[in-house]
Amino acid sequence: AQSVTQLDSQVPVFEEAPVELRCNYSSSVSVYLFWYVQYPNQGLQLLLKYLSGSTLVKGINGFEAEFNKSQTSFHLRKPSVHISDTAEYFCAVSDLKTNAGGTSYGKLTFGQGTILTVHP
Amino acid sequence: KAGVTQTPRYLIKTRGQQVTLSCSPISGHRSVSWYQQTPGQGLQFLFEYFSETQRNKGNFPGRFSGRQFSNSRSEMNVSTLELGDSALYLCASSSAGTGVSPLHFGNGTRLTVT
Repeated sequence: AQSVTQLDSQVPVFEEAPVELRCNYSSSVSVYLFWYVQYPNQGLQLLLKYLSGSTLVKGINGFEAEFNKSQTSFHLRKPSVHISDTAEYFCAVSDLKTNAGGTSYGKLTFGQGTILTVHP
Repeated sequence: KAGVTQTPRYLIKTRGQQVTLSCSPISGHRSVSWYQQTPGQGLQFLFEYFSETQRNKGNFPGRFSGRQFSNSRSEMNVSTLELGDSALYLCASSSAGTGVSPLHFGNGTRLTVT
C-alpha cells in the first residue's frame, strides 16, 4: 500500500523568502509523484510531476521538486515566494496497475496537505 | 479547451436523501475519477471510470456509486445520505488514466448534509 506524509501542516513565510514544503512517500511499486495546489473554493491544479528521468523537476509558477529515491522524498521548493502563492499544497503518489490489454491506470494517494501562507 | 465542469457547485440535503453529482470532463478525456475531500480525512479516492467501465474503486460503502456515459460525462450518486458525507466532491479527468497522464480537476461540488 502507498502512503504520503507531508511533514508540515502549515508553513508561514515572508514574501520573497525561499520555501520548502516537505513530502515523504512509501510505495512498493514504481513511483509516480505529483504536487498539486488548491486555492480557496477551487479544485486542484497540477504544479509538477515526476514520472521518470531527471530527479529535478521544474513546474509552473517557479516551483521545482527533487525526487530522492534513497530518502523516499519529493520536496517542493521555490526560491522566492509571492503573496499569490498562498494556498494549500498537496503531494500525491500514484500506483499503477496494468490490465489485460496492457493499459496502465491507477489512483492518487494524497498527503494531508500543507497550507502555505505568504506574509507581506 | 474548456476545463472540467462540475454541477452543481453547492448542494444542501437532508439525512436519508440521495444526491446525484455531475461531471463533464475535458474534451477528449476518457478517464474520469472522483475524490472526496474533508477536513478530517483529506482527499480520498472514490472510483475511476474509463470508457463507461469502472476500473478502479476506493474504500467507500456501496451507498457511493457512479457511472459514465458514452460521451465520457460522469455522474456520482450517494444514497441514504449521512452527516459524514458532507464534503467537497472533486471530479478529475485525464486523457488515458491516473497513473501517467496527470489529472485535471474541476472546482468541485460542496455537499452539506443536515
